[in-house]
Amino acid sequence: DIQLTQSPSFLSASVGDRVTITCRASQGISSYLAWYQQKPGKAPKLLIYAASTLQSGVPSRFSGSGSGTEFTLTISSLQPEDFATYYCQQLNSYLFGQGTKLEIK
Amino acid sequence: EVQLVESGGGVVQPGGSLRLSCAASGFTFDDYAMHWVRQAPGKGLEWVSLISGDGGSTYYADSVKGRFTISRDNSKNSLYLQMNSLRTEDTALYYCAKDYTIFGNYYGMDVWGQGTTVTVSS
Repeated sequence: DIQLTQSPSFLSASVGDRVTITCRASQGISSYLAWYQQKPGKAPKLLIYAASTLQSGVPSRFSGSGSGTEFTLTISSLQPEDFATYYCQQLNSYLFGQGTKLEIK
Repeated sequence: EVQLVESGGGVVQPGGSLRLSCAASGFTFDDYAMHWVRQAPGKGLEWVSLISGDGGSTYYADSVKGRFTISRDNSKNSLYLQMNSLRTEDTALYYCAKDYTIFGNYYGMDVWGQGTTVTVSS
């Protein structure tokens, strides 16, 4: 079975910072990866699919890259509303990564 | 407005059963596969089950296979999850989510409900 490992599990950053979250697959998954954002008490929100395609309505400060086994989610300039938990998902198996909690420094 | 509303959660004893429902609106329900995803308290997301748009194909996570059954009634725009032989580890917030597939390529889940809570406890 494919395993997904996100890093870091916790990330502390300030408004305006550029942050990167990594998702590694235990075997190659081409570009079959999505990223979600979940705020406390809310349902997840699809941000990026096919590794790098921004979902409609998602701000352009979010970007995704990678293929094969290593993927990244980058937020170019953190806004207050971006502090949340982020999950990657492998699109063949529906498996989610364990999550990265992004907190305000 | 595209909307999913779950219901049916509650407190049940280990070994018991519960049926969750998800009412869909704002989109052509039978055009889309649907998922159940759960989240244990303070934990991450876990995919549970998937059903195709016509209900003819179903898929399950190993953790629930043989105990949970996903179904849908397209005439009622409704999705269901029958949960039997419940265990304490099934305690979670259960979300239904709309499949985002374009030209046969699955791209994730683009619409989510607010979730319904299932607690399995004696």
